[in-house]
Amino acid sequence: KQEVTQIPAALSVPEGENLVLNCSFTDSAIYNLQWFRQDPGKGLTSLLLIQSSQREQTSGRLNASLDKSSGRSTLYIAASQPGDSATYLCAVRGAGNMLTFGGGTRLMVKP
Amino acid sequence: DAGITQSPRHKVTETGTPVTLRCHQTENHRYMYWYRQDPGHGLRLIHYSYGVKDTDKGEVSDGYSVSRSKTEDFLLTLESATSSQTSVYFCAISEKAEAFFGQGTRLTVV
Repeated sequence: KQEVTQIPAALSVPEGENLVLNCSFTDSAIYNLQWFRQDPGKGLTSLLLIQSSQREQTSGRLNASLDKSSGRSTLYIAASQPGDSATYLCAVRGAGNMLTFGGGTRLMVKP
Repeated sequence: DAGITQSPRHKVTETGTPVTLRCHQTENHRYMYWYRQDPGHGLRLIHYSYGVKDTDKGEVSDGYSVSRSKTEDFLLTLESATSSQTSVYFCAISEKAEAFFGQGTRLTVV
């Protein structure tokens, strides 16, 4: 059974810092990995999708990497802003096209 | 935003009553999913569908059933609601690549 872990569970940083969120998974037989953002009381917004054959994806200040063999992904956020405050979730797509989620990292960026 | 609509957005119901949540998509995506999100448990898969009338169980399927009679609609039914089914329910769609989520349904069982 696939298990996905996100570390840290919570993070508080001052505005302007670069930061790294971590995601690890136990079964490397995945089709892709997706990072989401969730604001309180809202749905999930897709940030980045990395296919299993890719090493990284970039969108603006966000960069996600994937090391499938070691079961790890990182989400790098450059020059963090208060508007980046949210919960960040990673999910892997494996057998049966099911998405398995990590528990999330709750990020607070202080002005 | 991907064309996903969940209804209702909020519902309060009594223990023992049946409840049906609806997910409607306009993207013609093959895969549809129902998740529940609870503090301390994250997002857990209830049921999913890989085509019309093709469904399968997820991690926490007990007490839930689903139906998909049309590509665009995926219904989740709580056959006899219990307080443990109080949760936020999310529908998602995908076509083997990127997944998109609806805004969620907050269900309270009293």
